[in-house]
Amino acid sequence: QKEVEQNSGPLSVPEGAIASLNCTYSDRGSQSFFWYRQYSGKSPELIMFIYSNGDKEDGRFTAQLNKASQYVSLLIRDSQPSDSATYLCAIINAGGTSYGKLTFGQGTILTVHP
Amino acid sequence: DADVTQTPRNRITKTGKRIMLECSQTKGHDRMYWYRQDPGLGLRLIYYSFDVKDINKGEISDGYSVSRQAQAKFSLSLESAIPNQTALYFCATSDGGLGDQPQHFGDGTRLSIL
Repeated sequence: QKEVEQNSGPLSVPEGAIASLNCTYSDRGSQSFFWYRQYSGKSPELIMFIYSNGDKEDGRFTAQLNKASQYVSLLIRDSQPSDSATYLCAIINAGGTSYGKLTFGQGTILTVHP
Repeated sequence: DADVTQTPRNRITKTGKRIMLECSQTKGHDRMYWYRQDPGLGLRLIYYSFDVKDINKGEISDGYSVSRQAQAKFSLSLESAIPNQTALYFCATSDGGLGDQPQHFGDGTRLSIL
């Protein structure tokens, strides 16, 4: 089982809809969770980070964390064509040999069509 | 000016050549990282450094070496390049403060080895 799993997509949504991106992880010791957006050929750009169970909102983006079920999700409201990109889920395990290291999922390709 | 600067941005070279990729940052972060990204394999950690005297191997360090010349500079070397090291390389930095701080990425170096 991969440490961080994402559906590679592509996920296609119409403009104005809610895009829901999901990520599951295997290590219960994981403490910190990040969502990055990456346009083709560009570097990953941090969108959100979340440390505690529940929801965290920032503009059109909401990150949701459920540690008991070991999943983290990203909701994008009022999706725009400019949101079309690959979304990377990444986690940090707080202890042991993985301390401080980010582990990335494969990424989900999101396409928002007009 | 970019906070995390990678040079060169693109490089084409031949098998067996020694190559150095450089990364410098103006963010004042203690921690620096080198990743490679390959289609279908996501981002994988090569080496990381939590301060000037600290160097750690990541999941795919074979064939690579690094040098942390100063807090702001972290270079990656391929001693004898081989074609399967063709990839997109990213440098990243993060704050070494309390808690797990997000990583911030440079613009990347596209490396092709013929």
